[in-house]
Amino acid sequence: QQQVKQSPQSLIVQKGGIPIINCAYENTAFDYFPWYQQFPGKGPALLIAIRPDVSEKKEGRFTISFNKSAKQFSLHIMDSQPGDSATYFCAASRRDSGAGSYQLTFGKGTKLSVIP
Amino acid sequence: GAGVSQSPSNKVTEKGKDVELRCDPISGHTALYWYRQSLGQGLEFLIYFQGNSAPDKSGLPSDRFSAERTGGSVSTLTIQRTQQEDSAVYLCASRFGSGHTEAFFGQGTRLTVV
Repeated sequence: QQQVKQSPQSLIVQKGGIPIINCAYENTAFDYFPWYQQFPGKGPALLIAIRPDVSEKKEGRFTISFNKSAKQFSLHIMDSQPGDSATYFCAASRRDSGAGSYQLTFGKGTKLSVIP
Repeated sequence: GAGVSQSPSNKVTEKGKDVELRCDPISGHTALYWYRQSLGQGLEFLIYFQGNSAPDKSGLPSDRFSAERTGGSVSTLTIQRTQQEDSAVYLCASRFGSGHTEAFFGQGTRLTVV
């Protein structure tokens, strides 16, 4: 059961373009939505995160847009650079009331290639 | 330690052998996750620990896979009677369990079953 659906699976853009990666979730109990970036041979690392009480968050060239009613969120990379070439994962987190802890569910990932 | 440490970094094993993969989380992180990443694929959830208990082990693909965590710290993922389809990178992540906090990943263990 995939609770977070991510698209596209892969994406190729030219330098300076604005790649957009989309995610959709089903469980309305999710209340924290991070994005992770993974370079080859490395583990994923947190890039940017948003809570559902805001519709947009920017950090440098990275922006998350969030649509609570549609249960969708997306990552935009402004002025993309070859160094942004990586795999990007969206995720969703919710409190597990039974265990009193916080579950984290990832999308399948998007492999981004930025061509010089 | 400074980050999540996984060992070994690479493991080549013969089909049918058992393997143990180790994860040392960041000190104080109560939540620990295991994921599997096949070549070029996404993160496949395996199991989640909160302290020493595993509230969610729904991602373990078969009864050949098991995991434990002791002392609320080190975790071991064991694969018995390995098969070629078990070849993948096994990633461990930990996070401070209270609140929505950043998950920190190790570099992974690349398992190759020949």
